[in-house]
Amino acid sequence: AQKITQTQPGMFVQEKEAVTLDCTYDTSDQSYGLFWYKQPSSGEMIFLIYQGSYDEQNATEGRYSLNFQKARKSANLVISASQLGDSAMYFCAMREGWSFQKLVFGTGTRLLVSP
Amino acid sequence: DTAVSQTPKYLVTQMGNDKSIKCEQNLGHDTMYWYKQDSKKFLKIMFSYNNKELIINETVPNRFSPKSPDKAHLNLHINSLELGDSAVYFCASSPGQGLNSRQPQHFGDGTRLSIL
Repeated sequence: AQKITQTQPGMFVQEKEAVTLDCTYDTSDQSYGLFWYKQPSSGEMIFLIYQGSYDEQNATEGRYSLNFQKARKSANLVISASQLGDSAMYFCAMREGWSFQKLVFGTGTRLLVSP
Repeated sequence: DTAVSQTPKYLVTQMGNDKSIKCEQNLGHDTMYWYKQDSKKFLKIMFSYNNKELIINETVPNRFSPKSPDKAHLNLHINSLELGDSAVYFCASSPGQGLNSRQPQHFGDGTRLSIL
């Protein structure tokens, strides 16, 4: 079974609008962490935001926020006020347990921001 | 200063050759990783080292051999290259386990390996 599922292969959004990228996960661990990374066309992997399974508040980092619904096992990324530079691949990843970080990645969502 | 640097950025070679990719991090992290990103952009962990010790080895063919001379370096050597090895290989590092697990992995810029 897929540990991380990103069901949206591609998403389109207009500049200045908000967009939600979906991520669901599957784990039996009580302790886990969820990460979102951005990969622009230049290829580097850029860390965006982290949510721990015990965190009571949804994570926020500037224009990025995480809609964490533990019971539904979802950790959707919300990008507010989209910019042209947000066009990229976005990956959701999970670390299970507190041990050394073995990240399991989803298949990614390609976001295209249009003017 | 580049935090995680990989060399070379591009590697084009013929089937059957042996090649190495080098990785260095200057973040003082204890743990380093190699990931493979295939043509469909799927990222999968291959290896992880913590303080020079192998801690993760994900059913990777024996032709792939990581080496960590010290905790700041993790190199990847690939023997007898095959067409299916064509991919982008990413090195990454992180502080380690426990509360440091909240810290993200920092990735290098990737090495694009093309097998002719």
